Amino acid sequence: GAVVSQHPSRVICKSGTSVKIECRSLDFQATTMFWYRQFPKKSLMLMATSNEGSKATYEQGVEKDKFLINHASLTLSTLTVTSAHPEDSSFYICSAKFPGDMETQYFGPGTRLLVL
Amino acid sequence: GQQLNQSPQSMFIQEGEDVSMNCTSSSIFNTWLWYKQDPGEGPVLLIALYKAGELTSNGRLTAQFGITRKDSFLNISASIPSDVGIYFCAGQKGTGNQFYFGTGTSLTVIP
Repeated sequence: GAVVSQHPSRVICKSGTSVKIECRSLDFQATTMFWYRQFPKKSLMLMATSNEGSKATYEQGVEKDKFLINHASLTLSTLTVTSAHPEDSSFYICSAKFPGDMETQYFGPGTRLLVL
Repeated sequence: GQQLNQSPQSMFIQEGEDVSMNCTSSSIFNTWLWYKQDPGEGPVLLIALYKAGELTSNGRLTAQFGITRKDSFLNISASIPSDVGIYFCAGQKGTGNQFYFGTGTSLTVIP
């Protein structure tokens, strides 16, 4: 299958700092990427849809000023958690929509964020 | 947002047994995807279904797109220890729309 990478795989930061997470599609171009958040033993919660060259679409209840998304190229989307707080600690996963008529998403390996 | 109901929530089975799990929704979907997630990892795509009634296999895994388009099923035959993980279904109502994820089925295989 198609490969999607995320960096970093885990990060620990102090409260009040900002953290940037990168999501890359390694062997295909993705005009659309998605950012999810997952709590322990829970399903994936869609945070926002990232479209190359345009503003991201955020799900209800997700603060766009807190979770900044940039989709600068067809292979890279970034999520920046601004002024992180302990309640932002979570597992963040991106996915990329595989191009073509058939709708398929491939996920990255996830980023574990711990805010102290 | 909409969530898909997966059943069962968890399963404990003996190695070699077959496994069945399903995913149901109150809405009609045009695409169903099945993923497996290991602890601390991102979900890995197992099978994609695009047509009502479609039956697709991937090794020991077989998934079906329900004819009502409101459900999907995943079967694992002759389970092995590495099948352990959480299985998620995902459904999409139409091209370009978001995918809604199921609540997950946690599978434990006892050697």
